Amino acid sequence: EVQLLESGGGLVQPGGSLRLSCAASGFTLSDYAMSWVRQAPGKGLEWVSVLYSGHGGSYYGDSVEGRFTISRDNSKNTLYVQMDSLRAEDTAIYYCAKDQVRGGVALWGFDHWGQGTLVTVSS
Amino acid sequence: QSALTQPPSASGSPGQSVTISCTGTSSDVGGYNFVSWYQQHPGKAPKLMIYEVNKRPAGVPDRFSGSKSGDTASLTVSGLQAEDEADYYCSSYSGSSAGVFGGGTKLTVL
Repeated sequence: EVQLLESGGGLVQPGGSLRLSCAASGFTLSDYAMSWVRQAPGKGLEWVSVLYSGHGGSYYGDSVEGRFTISRDNSKNTLYVQMDSLRAEDTAIYYCAKDQVRGGVALWGFDHWGQGTLVTVSS
Repeated sequence: QSALTQPPSASGSPGQSVTISCTGTSSDVGGYNFVSWYQQHPGKAPKLMIYEVNKRPAGVPDRFSGSKSGDTASLTVSGLQAEDEADYYCSSYSGSSAGVFGGGTKLTVL
């Protein structure tokens, strides 16, 4: 059974840093594109970042470009996002999401999601 | 990466059909067949309902269907049931290895 479990959320001051983790089970993380998606309180979903499978690249939404870094530890089957220079508008529940793939191509349809971890940026 | 446009709300009575639209541009919805739809109940993680415009994952009822015409994608829910009341989000690949979501539609079953 595919499972995704996020952790690492919490309260951080503006300008601070936080690293979120997403532990995967039931599949090999490096075989799939994985994204982080966030949802501010009472708001809609926002795509944040993607890490493609294998030696694929990483890409970011405009709002986090240059401040967030996505990575993966294959030995731990875990996805990460390092969040630096945090702002109040980064306050959200952060979900990791597994993409579907066909023939090595990501389909941009996220078929499994974690339960989310809340990040609050406030002084 | 501008958000896709969805109506904020939609409603229908049990047994009826309702269609939710999702309007983008030729750079996202109109340019690729990587359009997906998600259902989210309060306090829960999103659930994939439709991918690649009109494909249903295993376990999703065939009451849910998707389509696309030009820059606008649509999700139709037929035979509305009480458990279909939720927020629905569309999403699309937007080129340059980026994704974009719609603002969400709150579906109310009257």
